[in-house]
Amino acid sequence: GESVGLHLPTLSVQEGDNSIINCAYSNSASDYFIWYKQESGKGPQFIIDIRSNMDKRQGQRVTVLLNKTVKHLSLQIAATQPGDSAVYFCAEILNTGGFKTIFGAGTRLFVKA
Amino acid sequence: GAGVSQSPSNKVTEKGKDVELRCDPISGHTALYWYRQRLGQGLEFLIYFQGNSAPDKSGLPSDRFSAERTGESVSTLTIQRTQQEDSAVYLCASSPTGTLYNEQFFGPGTRLTVL
Repeated sequence: GESVGLHLPTLSVQEGDNSIINCAYSNSASDYFIWYKQESGKGPQFIIDIRSNMDKRQGQRVTVLLNKTVKHLSLQIAATQPGDSAVYFCAEILNTGGFKTIFGAGTRLFVKA
Repeated sequence: GAGVSQSPSNKVTEKGKDVELRCDPISGHTALYWYRQRLGQGLEFLIYFQGNSAPDKSGLPSDRFSAERTGESVSTLTIQRTQQEDSAVYLCASSPTGTLYNEQFFGPGTRLTVL
């Protein structure tokens, strides 16, 4: 279902460690997925995307994994830095005639120095 | 080029008053979205405009909420007879086309406080 009114889970990691943020998406027909990062007081920003015909995509320090069997998406951040502290949202996009985006509830990442 | 802009950045209003929030999307972007984000929570979809198609209003929480978009430019979100539970950050995003593989570009949001 859609993300409404959920309090954010939190992940706390030590600087330099790897972070893994998980997301369960709702619709098996979703074609495209995006991870967004939202820093305090700002709107979300694109980090990385993946299409439904892929199961892994790598960016700079970030990797997204897609498991369509269990409708699960994860974001891996290597060598986490203090600047990575933010809220991370997954988004699924499905074709409903137009293209509807459904955001996950979000995870707050704290990086301890 | 310029990103998505929203105004005002902050709005404080009294319960029962009407408010209008404005979004200027990135020039040329055909898709425009409004979301609501309550403090410490996720994004709640409100409405989606795509070109000249009828908007997807399925996320509007009540008939006090409405939105308009002029062509492929400015959009306004109107909340009538505001209630305290309307207090939130209202985010606008735009996307280049109506095709599938497009990210959304977000504005900084309007923080609405209803007293």
